[in-house]
Formats: sequence, structure tokens, C-alpha cells
Amino acid sequence: SQTIHQWPATLVQPVGSPLSLECTVEGTSNPNLYWYRQAAGRGLQLLFYSVGIGQISSEVPQNLSASRPQDRQFILSSKKLLLSDSGFYLCAWSVRRLGSDDQAFFGQGTRLTVV
Amino acid sequence: AQSVTQPDIHITVSEGASLELRCNYSYGATPYLFWYVQSPGQGLQLLLKYFSGDTLVQGIKGFEAEFKRSQSSFNLRKPSVHWSDAAEYFCAVGAQSGGSNYKLTFGKGTLLTVNP
Repeated sequence: SQTIHQWPATLVQPVGSPLSLECTVEGTSNPNLYWYRQAAGRGLQLLFYSVGIGQISSEVPQNLSASRPQDRQFILSSKKLLLSDSGFYLCAWSVRRLGSDDQAFFGQGTRLTVV
Repeated sequence: AQSVTQPDIHITVSEGASLELRCNYSYGATPYLFWYVQSPGQGLQLLLKYFSGDTLVQGIKGFEAEFKRSQSSFNLRKPSVHWSDAAEYFCAVGAQSGGSNYKLTFGKGTLLTVNP
């Protein structure tokens, strides 16, 4: 069966420090991968999605970047964190593109606090 | 572009009472409709989805939702709420956004509190 792993679960980082959040999917090949950010009362905001290795699409301009070095690995990064980067980050995967008749499978999330 | 509105930010019900969470969408055609649930500090889990056919769909954990085209709504219901249903619920709408592109839009969520 397919599983998605996301780590770390919680992270406290100082302003200006780098960031690396990792997400891996098992049990499937060539998944569509997504990074979402969730802020209280604001729902889920799609940050990046990837349909294949090295293929990254950014939905909103921001201080973050994403990479997909392997088929089932998706990394969210920042060179210098801002206070506004605090939030709950969710990785997700799907077989077909989200927005079609397919569902998303979410990781457990990472609570990032920038201090 | 599609949009999703969940009018209720927070709902409190007593255990055993019935529940209805509202979801309204805006889109020119019939979209794909989803309800997800999120337990505290966790990821989202799919409850149910509607694509076509019977407008009343059954999901996991005893939930159901009804698509009403005339009202552009996809409300989530459960006849008897359990304490374990306390969570945040998200309605989502999927639709084509040009060519072969698709877009999934989430509502802002409804937080459900269940009183004993």
C-alpha cells in the first residue's frame, strides 16, 4: 500500500536560518507531489507541485523553493527564513492532477515556528 | 475561477446530535467535490467525493454529503455525532482551469467541537 512520510513533525528555527523539509512517498511510481501551507483560518494554500523529477511549478511568489531530486522525494527549502514563513506545512501526493477526479493523500504535516 | 465558501468557522454540537456542515462553491459547470477531515496536528483524510451520478454520496465514518446544483452546495451531514468526530473539516472543489490543467481549491475549514 502507498504511504507518505513527512519530517520533521515540528521545527523551531531562527529568522534568517535555512530550511529543509522532506517528503517521501512509498508504494507508487511517478506520483504528482504537492506542498501546501496551512495558516489558521485561511485554509490550505498550494505552494508548489511537481509532475515529475526536476519539474516544479510554483503557485505563489514567496521565500521558499522546492525540489524533486528523485521520483518519490519532494523537498521544501528556504535559504533564509522569515517570520511570515511560520505555519503548518503539508506534503501530498496524487495519482492524477489534483482538481481532477482524483483525491490527495496527505502527510502528517510539519509545524514550523520561526522565532 | 472557482471558489469555495464554508460559512461556519466553528460549530459546537452535543454528542449524539445531528450535524450539517455547509459548503458553497462557485464554478460555471459541475465541479469535482470533496470533503476532507483533519484531526489536530495531522494531515487531511478524504471523507467522500462527488463526481457525477447520484447526488447523495456516502463516505467513511458514517458521513454523507448531498450535491445540490441549484444551490451550488455540497453540505456534509452525519445523523449522530461521536466525540471522535471533533476535528476540522474542509470542503474542496476541483475543476479545469484552462486546457488540460486542473485546480483544486479548499475552503477555509469548519472546526467542529463535540460536547459530551
